Amino acid sequence: EAQVTQNPRYLITVTGKKLTVTCSQNMNHEYMSWYRQDPGLGLRQIYYSMNVEVTDKGDVPEGYKVSRKEKRNFPLILESPSPNQTSLYFCASRPGGTSYEQYFGPGTRLTVT
Amino acid sequence: AQSVTQLGSHVSVSEGALVLLRCNYSSSVPPYLFWYVQYPNQGLQLLLKYTSAATLVKGINGFEAEFKKSETSFHLTKPSAHMSDAAEYFCAVRDYGGANNLFFGTGTRLTVIP
Repeated sequence: EAQVTQNPRYLITVTGKKLTVTCSQNMNHEYMSWYRQDPGLGLRQIYYSMNVEVTDKGDVPEGYKVSRKEKRNFPLILESPSPNQTSLYFCASRPGGTSYEQYFGPGTRLTVT
Repeated sequence: AQSVTQLGSHVSVSEGALVLLRCNYSSSVPPYLFWYVQYPNQGLQLLLKYTSAATLVKGINGFEAEFKKSETSFHLTKPSAHMSDAAEYFCAVRDYGGANNLFFGTGTRLTVIP
């Protein structure tokens, strides 16, 4: 089944404890992206990647890191999480070329205390 | 820069009534527009998209949207609401920068009253 997977789905952590949220897609998509969803703010893009080893900042990159060493994986790293990063996170992917619709993972709900 | 505005963060309709969710866009070039739906505890799923072909776009689950350039609108409609339509709906516009990112609206939560 074609899909985007994220792990973990739920995570509660404490301020300053490094964490990684994994994202993987099995559709051979070139483009991948991370969003955070907050009430009243919709989805805001954190980082995106056009292809392996090519990443760029989205609208809210502060406090996050990403890497794209393989085409299928695009992990999101919070080196020192803070309570304002408590949010619902989504990974998405799409093919290259002129297909602009994105396919979303199920989400990761992160709570930082 | 492209952007979308969704009017109404919450919309309630009775089962069987018309669903109308509003989206207005801002774009300096002909836009590509999308509607996504998010059911509880799930990711976003594409409902429909406008890519400069027909102005009336039909999507899944009986939804459709009409692109109106004169009104810069792309409102989502469904003639008869079903309980299973209760979800959050997001309008999005494609960015014409090199990455073709999507910019999302703030979402509209649809409640269907039995």
